[in-house]
Amino acid sequence: RKEVEQDPGPFNVPEGATVAFNCTYSNSASQSFFWYRQDCRKEPKLLMSVYSSGNEDGRFTAQLNRASQYISLLIRDSKLSDSATYLCVVTDNYGQNFVFGPGTRLSVLP
Amino acid sequence: NAGVTQTPKFQVLKTGQSMTLQCAQDMNHEYMSWYRQDPGMGLRLIHYSVGAGITDQGEVPNGYNVSRSTTEDFPLRLLSAAPSQTSVYFCASSPGTLAPNLKETQYFGPGTRLLVL
Repeated sequence: RKEVEQDPGPFNVPEGATVAFNCTYSNSASQSFFWYRQDCRKEPKLLMSVYSSGNEDGRFTAQLNRASQYISLLIRDSKLSDSATYLCVVTDNYGQNFVFGPGTRLSVLP
Repeated sequence: NAGVTQTPKFQVLKTGQSMTLQCAQDMNHEYMSWYRQDPGMGLRLIHYSVGAGITDQGEVPNGYNVSRSTTEDFPLRLLSAAPSQTSVYFCASSPGTLAPNLKETQYFGPGTRLLVL
């Protein structure tokens, strides 16, 4: 079983749609959790950290369920500029090394 | 503040050649790491360093060497390039151990695309 698994995608959605990404992780001792976005042929960039109580940043909402070892990302009112690959990331037991999911590609269509 | 820089951006090697991928950061970060990204596999950790003089292996270290003589620089050496090392390589840095709910994370360089023929 992979350490971090994500929806295989791709997701093709119209502008304005709401889209949800799911992620599960196998290491119950993971300490920190993030969503990164990666544009084609670019480096990953932090979208948002995921806090235990859940957190929101504009149109983006992240949730963490430690008991189920599950992380989610919700994007509301999708924009064309949201088209990218979304990477679920967890840290190891010591909170330093990143373990990446394979990513889920999103295409927002006009 | 340039962040994390990597050189070269693109490199073509022949099987058996050696080369060094350069990585530097100007944020005084303790932690630096190297990943490779292959289609459908996500980013995988090659080597990492928690400070000058300290390095350790990640998930896929074979065929690569690293050293950390200064806080700023973390070069990755390919000893004898193989076609299986064709990939995109990313260097990243962070302040150190990432405690939960702290507003910090790893920052990535722009990547080096390597083709081994």
